[in-house]
Amino acid sequence: GNSVTQMEGPVTLSEEAFLTINCTYTATGYPSLFWYVQYPGEGLQLLLKATKADDKGSNKGFEATYRKETTSFHLEKGSVQVSDSAVYFCALSGSNDYKLSFGAGTTVTVRA
Amino acid sequence: EAGVAQSPRYKIIEKRQSVAFWCNPISGHATLYWYQQILGQGPKLLIQFQNNGVVDDSQLPKDRFSAERLKGVDSTLKIQPAKLEDSAVYLCASSLGAGPGVGTDTQYFGPGTRLTVL
Repeated sequence: GNSVTQMEGPVTLSEEAFLTINCTYTATGYPSLFWYVQYPGEGLQLLLKATKADDKGSNKGFEATYRKETTSFHLEKGSVQVSDSAVYFCALSGSNDYKLSFGAGTTVTVRA
Repeated sequence: EAGVAQSPRYKIIEKRQSVAFWCNPISGHATLYWYQQILGQGPKLLIQFQNNGVVDDSQLPKDRFSAERLKGVDSTLKIQPAKLEDSAVYLCASSLGAGPGVGTDTQYFGPGTRLTVL
């Protein structure tokens, strides 16, 4: 079945540091890939997505590229802010399957 | 546009009691999902509705969990009787529920209900 493995946290960074969270997946066919973010006290929000190989999703300074050859979808941001402190989840769904399979989440804390 | 609404936000019960959660999806969204998120883990799908029909309930513990979506809009998730291991956040999500290529369909999540079973 489909599954997602993402980098374990917690991750603590200083403001303006570079952030990368690794995510790899196992799936049949051509899944769609997502990054969701959960800010403290809030619900899950879609951060970005990519629906086919080599697509790059981007939003709020975050980027992730769908790499089919390495089955990866790593999340990156060049300069983090305190407001980026949150839990980040990598997820996938099959091309004909609504079901989202989530990774365990990575807690990121950015210090001023 | 209003988001996905859930209530209550918090619930504390004793084991063997029953509890119910309510979800109102985004207007016009045909597909509704219930997820269970145990502390330190990613959400796990419990049940998925397309309009008022069940599409996938393979991971729903049917001996104690039940869910319905009357009239294809609001939904309730019930646990009876609750166990200690049911302590979790229960998330409701909805999506437009389009045709082919539905894997690209974005799911929008509600704030969740945090259940504590003592």
